[in-house]
Amino acid sequence: EAGVAQSPRYKIIEKRQSVAFWCNPISGHATLYWYQQILGQGPKLLIQFQNNGVVDDSQLPKDRFSAERLKGVDSTLKIQPAKLEDSAVYLCASSQGGTFQETQYFGPGTRLLVL
Amino acid sequence: AQSVAQPEDQVNVAEGNPLTVKCTYSVSGNPYLFWYVQYPNRGLQFLLKYITGDNLVKGSYGFEAEFNKSQTSFHLKKPSALVSDSALYFCAVRTDSSYKLIFGSGTRLLVRP
Repeated sequence: EAGVAQSPRYKIIEKRQSVAFWCNPISGHATLYWYQQILGQGPKLLIQFQNNGVVDDSQLPKDRFSAERLKGVDSTLKIQPAKLEDSAVYLCASSQGGTFQETQYFGPGTRLLVL
Repeated sequence: AQSVAQPEDQVNVAEGNPLTVKCTYSVSGNPYLFWYVQYPNRGLQFLLKYITGDNLVKGSYGFEAEFNKSQTSFHLKKPSALVSDSALYFCAVRTDSSYKLIFGSGTRLLVRP
């Protein structure tokens, strides 16, 4: 079974530029998550989708971050404009989407450096 | 508010010795506890989870964890460490009130030959 796919793996941009990340979840997984992992910290949830609807985006900085999952499968996360403090690893995860006990499976992440 | 604490930034152990990586949690309600491992430039890999039942949970790569409700802990253990176990380990918790996983700050495990 293929895992969670993410691209690009690395991205370097100047501050105030925009950037987009792509995620394709495990086939059949209804729930998709985007996490931000700052160096030296644990991942922090940015947004959670159930199919193509948003379940939780309470920690998403909506003035600069946006995300969509239009067809309920793959998803994109965008930052516009980027700030220095956005330098982090952006992790996508997916789960089957049925219960609180289920496991989330993570992709390899996109490492973003904002200069 | 839900929280997870990993009190040790780094754990050092010799190959062949037992290892323990500590995790304590604070939640309202019943906890669902998870351990993940992260190798350099890789995403998080699921190791094991506690949902209910037997307090000793066995997972991947010979790891196990013990749930202790009275001490609100979920320590990760392995009877005999390998050099290849060297990585960053994260404990996480969730409850029935949210799908959100709350992660600890991580513990770096270094197994020396």
